[in-house]
Amino acid sequence: DTGVSQDPRHKITKRGQNVTFRCDPISEHNRLYWYRQTLGQGPEFLTYFQNEAQLEKSRLLSDRFSAERPKGSFSTLEIQRTEQGDSAMYLCASSRQGLSGTQYFGPGTRLTVL
Amino acid sequence: DAKTTQPPSMDCAEGRAANLPCNHSTISGNEYVYWYRQIHSQGPQYIIHGLKNNETNEMASLIITEDRKSSTLILPHATLRDTAVYYCIVRVVPHNNDMRFGAGTRLTVKP
Repeated sequence: DTGVSQDPRHKITKRGQNVTFRCDPISEHNRLYWYRQTLGQGPEFLTYFQNEAQLEKSRLLSDRFSAERPKGSFSTLEIQRTEQGDSAMYLCASSRQGLSGTQYFGPGTRLTVL
Repeated sequence: DAKTTQPPSMDCAEGRAANLPCNHSTISGNEYVYWYRQIHSQGPQYIIHGLKNNETNEMASLIITEDRKSSTLILPHATLRDTAVYYCIVRVVPHNNDMRFGAGTRLTVKP
C-alpha cells in the first residue's frame, strides 16, 4: 500500500487569502475524511466523502470551507478568506467501505495564518 | 459514540511493557474500541481495534474487560520511538463515519 498523501505539508499565508490543500487516499479506499487538529487537542472531524459524494459535514465546517472529491479519487479542501483561527493541522484519512472501516491518516498539512 | 477517559500522561522505561488504560463505561454493544497514536507533528497511526475479544497484532495487544467498560493497550517492549500521544476511541462500524478523538494519553518512554 502507498499510504495517504497530502500536499503541501506546510502552508503559511496572510489573513484574508485563500488556500487549497490536496489529499490522495489509498487507491482502493472509497471513503475519504477531513479532520482539523489544533495544538494540544485531538483531531476534530470536518467532513466525509463516499466516492464523489459528500455525505456528512460537521458544524465546524463554516461556509468559508469547501471540500470536493470530483472523480472519487483525490480530494481538495479550500479555505476562503483565511482567519488566524484557521491555523491548525489539516488531516486527511481514507478507509474502505464495509465492516472494517479502519481509517488511515495522511501526514497532514500545517497551516499558519499570519 | 461513547465517551472515553484516559490518563493525561504516563511514563514507561525502555524495554518494559507499557500498559495504557481507557475507560468507556457507556459503550454500546455494537461499538468497537479503536486505538491510534500520534507521534509529534505526524498524522495519527492506526494501532489496533476490537469488539469484545482480546486482539493482538505486530504492534500491540488490546485487552477488553468482560463487561467492555474498559480496555488496556499493551506495548510489550516499549522503545523510545513509542513516545507519542495514544488515543482510545469507541465507534460504531461502519455506520459512524467520524471518529471522536479526546485528548489522549501522552506516553513518554525513558531510557
